[in-house]
Amino acid sequence: GAVVSQHPSRVICKSGTSVKIECRSLDFQATTMFWYRQFPKQSLMLMATSNEGSKATYEQGVEKDKFLINHASLTLSTLTVTSAHPEDSSFYICSAEDPGQGGDEQYFGPGTRLTVT
Amino acid sequence: GQNIDQPTEMTATEGAIVQINCTYQTSGFNGLFWYQQHAGEAPTFLSYNVLDGLEEKGRFSSFLSRSKGYSYLLLKELQMKDSASYLCAVRDGDYKLSFGAGTTVTVRA
Repeated sequence: GAVVSQHPSRVICKSGTSVKIECRSLDFQATTMFWYRQFPKQSLMLMATSNEGSKATYEQGVEKDKFLINHASLTLSTLTVTSAHPEDSSFYICSAEDPGQGGDEQYFGPGTRLTVT
Repeated sequence: GQNIDQPTEMTATEGAIVQINCTYQTSGFNGLFWYQQHAGEAPTFLSYNVLDGLEEKGRFSSFLSRSKGYSYLLLKELQMKDSASYLCAVRDGDYKLSFGAGTTVTVRA
């Protein structure tokens, strides 16, 4: 099946700094990628839809100036958490659909655990 | 918004069968997915239903009734490694996935 990678897997940063998370589709091209956030013992919440070559679409309540998304190529999307605060500590997961497989299934990356101190 | 409900926890014995129910109310419908998620890991795909009926894949089966807004995931011949959270997710009319809160299944020896 299709493989999606994320980097880093874990990151600890100080309050006020910015953190960049990369999401890559390794063996397929993804025009659309998705970014989710999951707090402990809660389900995944869609943050934004990342579209290659155009602006991301953010879900209601997600600050686009705080969570910067760049989808510069068909295999890479990045999420930058700017001026991170402890309440941004969460598990961030990206996913992508493989058009070559019919696009029905979203393939998830392994996730990035962000801890802001 | 979307509303997806599933039980919080279920416990079963190794070798038994467990059925996880999911009810949903969404704006449009383009398929229902079941994912397995172990603690601290990303979800892995289990099944996909877009038409009414039962889809069987090995020890796992999933059922969908669109008219009732209802699905279930059936896990047979439970193994200890099946202890995980099971997420019901619905793809809405905008092709976005909305997830339920997940059902934590604990398999006991």
